[in-house]
Amino acid sequence: AQSVTQLGSHVSVSEGALVLLRCNYSSSVPPYLFWYVQYPNQGLQLLLKYTSAATLVKGINGFEAEFKKSETSFHLTKPSAHMSDAAEYFCAVSDDGNKLVFGAGTILRVKS
Amino acid sequence: DAGITQSPRHKVTETGTPVTLRCHQTENHRYMYWYRQDPGHGLRLIHYSYGVKDTDKGEVSDGYSVSRSKTEDFLLTLESATSSQTSVYFCAISRDLNYEQYFGPGTRLTVT
Repeated sequence: AQSVTQLGSHVSVSEGALVLLRCNYSSSVPPYLFWYVQYPNQGLQLLLKYTSAATLVKGINGFEAEFKKSETSFHLTKPSAHMSDAAEYFCAVSDDGNKLVFGAGTILRVKS
Repeated sequence: DAGITQSPRHKVTETGTPVTLRCHQTENHRYMYWYRQDPGHGLRLIHYSYGVKDTDKGEVSDGYSVSRSKTEDFLLTLESATSSQTSVYFCAISRDLNYEQYFGPGTRLTVT
């Protein structure tokens, strides 16, 4: 069965610092991988997705993620954090492009 | 934003009562999904639909049923609500397999 592990339920960074949110997955087949962001009291918004076209995926708002098959990882990064990045981030995996399995989420706090 | 609405947005109900949540889309997308979001669990798939009258179970389907009589509407029913079904419920839509899922604003359900 697929599973997703997000290391760190809470991450705190200073404004302007690097953002690194970790995601490891288990999948028996080449997966589809996604990062979503959720702002308070809102639905989820897609940040980026990996579908085997390129290992480095660029998304919206300056975020990117790199698929590393050998490490079964899909970590999310942003070079310089902004206050508006404070939100909860979810990594998700699918092996058929249909049903998503989500991680537990990481709450990002950005300090001024 | 994808044209997805959920109703009601908030509901408080008593244990043992039936509850129906509605998801409505204006995108004419084929796939529709119901997830529940609970702290520490991320989002978990309850049921999904791949066409009118075509539905299937997800990871946490016990105690829930769904119906889809029209492309635009996907209903989630709790036949007899329990306190363990207190959660935030999200609907999502997707054009087809391998396409990203777009999420609605959510319904906060409290079962007392």
